Amino acid sequence: EVQLLESGGGLVQPGGSLRLSCAASGFTFSSYAMSWVRQAPGKGLEWVSGISASGDSTKYADSVKGRFSISRDSSKNTLYLHMNSLTAEDTAVYYCAKEGLDSIGYDLDYWGQGTLVTISS
Amino acid sequence: QSVLTQPPSASGTPGQRVTISCSGSSFNIGSNYVYWYQHLPGTAPKLLIYTNDQRPSGVPDRFSGSKSGTSASLAISGLRSEDEADYYCEAWDDNLSGRVFGGGTKLTVL
Repeated sequence: EVQLLESGGGLVQPGGSLRLSCAASGFTFSSYAMSWVRQAPGKGLEWVSGISASGDSTKYADSVKGRFSISRDSSKNTLYLHMNSLTAEDTAVYYCAKEGLDSIGYDLDYWGQGTLVTISS
Repeated sequence: QSVLTQPPSASGTPGQRVTISCSGSSFNIGSNYVYWYQHLPGTAPKLLIYTNDQRPSGVPDRFSGSKSGTSASLAISGLRSEDEADYYCEAWDDNLSGRVFGGGTKLTVL
């Protein structure tokens, strides 16, 4: 059974940093691309970033480019999202999602339950 | 303002058929696959339709997807109370070099 468990969310002051983690199990982590998707309060889903299975290709939404960095550690079956220069607009539930193939941009076939990030002073 | 346009709400009575539309452009729907997700607040979103019209195993055949040009649609037949959720379309956008979602459609089963 595929399981994705996000952690690392919490309350951070504007301008601060945070690292989210997503522990994956139930599939061959190193064979699939992964993505982060967020949902701000009362808003819809917004794709944040994706990384290929090998880790050599990464993509970012314009809203986070230059501030967020996605990475993965296949030895730990874990996906990360490093977030810097956080603003109130980054407040959201962040979901980790498995892609259907080894490259970014196909279906997100499994999702985690999400971790809440709140940016506030 | 979402790149893909969906109606904010839809509704139907049990047993009815409802359709949710998703409009995009040549950069996204017009040149790439469309995906549909079901999301109940507080839970993990669920993939409903992939590559325009395919259902993952376990998704009832009451759900179907289609695509024509720069638009796509999700149809739900034999509406049930448990179908009440938010539905999102999604596609890759070649201009933005990233995924884009529709704004979501809240389906109410009356």
